[in-house]
Amino acid sequence: DAGITQSPRHKVTETGTPVTLRCHQTENHRYMYWYRQDPGHGLRLIHYSYGVKDTDKGEVSDGYSVSRSKTEDFLLTLESATSSQTSVYFCAIEETGGTDTQYFGPGTRLTVL
Amino acid sequence: GESVGLHLPTLSVQEGDNSIINCAYSNSASDYFIWYKQESGKGPQFIIDIRSNMDKRQGQRVTVLLNKTVKHLSLQIAATQPGDSAVYFCAEKWGAQKLVFGQGTRLTINP
Repeated sequence: DAGITQSPRHKVTETGTPVTLRCHQTENHRYMYWYRQDPGHGLRLIHYSYGVKDTDKGEVSDGYSVSRSKTEDFLLTLESATSSQTSVYFCAIEETGGTDTQYFGPGTRLTVL
Repeated sequence: GESVGLHLPTLSVQEGDNSIINCAYSNSASDYFIWYKQESGKGPQFIIDIRSNMDKRQGQRVTVLLNKTVKHLSLQIAATQPGDSAVYFCAEKWGAQKLVFGQGTRLTINP
């Protein structure tokens, strides 16, 4: 599992509330990613980070923000959750050394009512 | 577990047979490809990867074939077992672009 944990694993929240998902890695990889996975779509990139305080947007970044204050933690925040953000969220790391290989965490299932 | 995709292509094979899962990729400039396996309720699991300077790569019970002429990637699983039941999807990468993922194929194993 490449030493990746995600918390919480399941969350139910109401529209308009803020939500923060956490990804934690134990192997000091530089690159970390947040994806969402929905029926009918492949994994879609939300945001990624290439170092502490260095982040960039992916293809579906609207409504999401991220922060990385430590190498091991990458946080995804939904400032005001909407029902369209109901999804399964996966964090991934990319092995250091430019291998391009990404390894995924176990996922967080988020339901926005 | 959650549904990875409601209308995924499905491949059904008999236990013990070989499975071949196909992927048509989108960009002729893609130079890196990965296959992932995703079981219900779990995160994608890395299976095998291949770079564009190779046509074939083998792992334990799996082989990936790359045909750049027709932009086609395949994953062969030898002697399919019940534990191989999952959704399998490929991903491609070109240049500085991040990985782009396909939707996947659901593999079911018949006893």
